[in-house]
Amino acid sequence: DQQVKQNSPSLSVQEGRISILNCDYTNSMFDYFLWYKKYPAEGPTFLISISSIKDKNEDGRFTVFLNKSAKHLSLHIVPSQPGDSAVYFCAARSLSSNTGKLIFGQGTTLQVKP
Amino acid sequence: GAVVSQHPSRVICKSGTSVKIECRSLDFQATTMFWYRQFPKKSLMLMATSNEGSKATYEQGVEKDKFLINHASLTLSTLTVTSAHPEDSSFYICSAGLDYYEQYFGPGTRLTVT
Repeated sequence: DQQVKQNSPSLSVQEGRISILNCDYTNSMFDYFLWYKKYPAEGPTFLISISSIKDKNEDGRFTVFLNKSAKHLSLHIVPSQPGDSAVYFCAARSLSSNTGKLIFGQGTTLQVKP
Repeated sequence: GAVVSQHPSRVICKSGTSVKIECRSLDFQATTMFWYRQFPKKSLMLMATSNEGSKATYEQGVEKDKFLINHASLTLSTLTVTSAHPEDSSFYICSAGLDYYEQYFGPGTRLTVT
């Protein structure tokens, strides 16, 4: 049962354009969502997060949008840079978890072409 | 920022032997640490949650007798893969929770069982 889904395994965009990475979830108990960036053979690096009480959070070139009714979130990267090329994971945390356990999506490989 | 280290970064062992992987939070105390496993081109799979001084909580399908987790202090958790077999070859990543919201990942350990 995949509670967090990233249906696009890969995305390719041109440098300077917008990258939009999507994530869907099924568990209405999720109250906190995070995006991580991961390079091969390295651990994930935290990018940005959003609480379920908000619908948007912005940090520099990165913006995360949350649509609770659709159980959907997206990460926008503007403008995209070649250094953004990596695997992006969305993750969710359940209100019922007292440990902060994260549920990860499958990841989307982003390639930004110069 | 919070730093989490893992040691070793790579290990090759023979089938039937045991391997210990260390996870340390270098500049903060982590009451909770998490162990993940990542298969090639797959998502991060949570294996277990460990709390300092208590037994780890394993996810469904993870053999606790095979993957021994010890969280002896607020800055150190260890994962021991006992009687390793080739199918245990994987990328193992730990994370340490600073609090309910912030979780920092180690760089990962590549285990190859021959």
